[in-house]
Amino acid sequence: DAGVTQTPRHEVAEKGQTIILKCEPVSGHNDLFWYRQTKIQGLELLSYFRSKSLMEDGGAFKDRFKAEMLNSSFSTLKIQPTEPKDSAVYLCASSFRNEQYFGPGTRLTVL
Amino acid sequence: AQSVTQPDARVTVSEGASLQLRCKYSYSATPYLFWYVQYPRQGLQLLLKYYSGDPVVQGVNGFEAEFSKSNSSFHLRKASVHWSNSAVYFCAVSSYGNEKITFGAGTKLTIKP
Repeated sequence: DAGVTQTPRHEVAEKGQTIILKCEPVSGHNDLFWYRQTKIQGLELLSYFRSKSLMEDGGAFKDRFKAEMLNSSFSTLKIQPTEPKDSAVYLCASSFRNEQYFGPGTRLTVL
Repeated sequence: AQSVTQPDARVTVSEGASLQLRCKYSYSATPYLFWYVQYPRQGLQLLLKYYSGDPVVQGVNGFEAEFSKSNSSFHLRKASVHWSNSAVYFCAVSSYGNEKITFGAGTKLTIKP
């Protein structure tokens, strides 16, 4: 089975741009998570989907971050507009029976 | 609410020495407990998990962890470390029927030659 796929692996954006990160979960997994990882804050939950329904979106991230899951095999995370403080690694994970499987992450740099 | 504390942000161990990484959790019900490892430029990978039964669980690559309900702990151990074990280790807690996991801040492990 293929693992969780994330594209792109690296993204460089100018302040104010819109960027879209993509995630393909493991086939058959019903739960999908988006996290932001920084050295200072560690892992922060951005969004949680169960069977394509949004279960949780991290309150502090609501205004410029929007995750969507249009079908069971594809999710996007849009950041609009980007700010330098958004520079981080964005991780996607899908889950089955309490075990989360992570993608390799997208490293975002906002100039 | 559930929470996880990893009291050591960084641990340095000599190659071949034994290792213990500490983890304390807070959860009112019966917890599901995990250790994940993250190598540079990669996502997190599951090392081992505890749901119930024998409090000592074995994981991949010689890692084991021991659940203690009385101490609310789930420490990770390895008898002899290798330079390739250098990584960041995350302890995490969840519960039955709850796919959402709460992660600790992580412990960065460095292996000295």
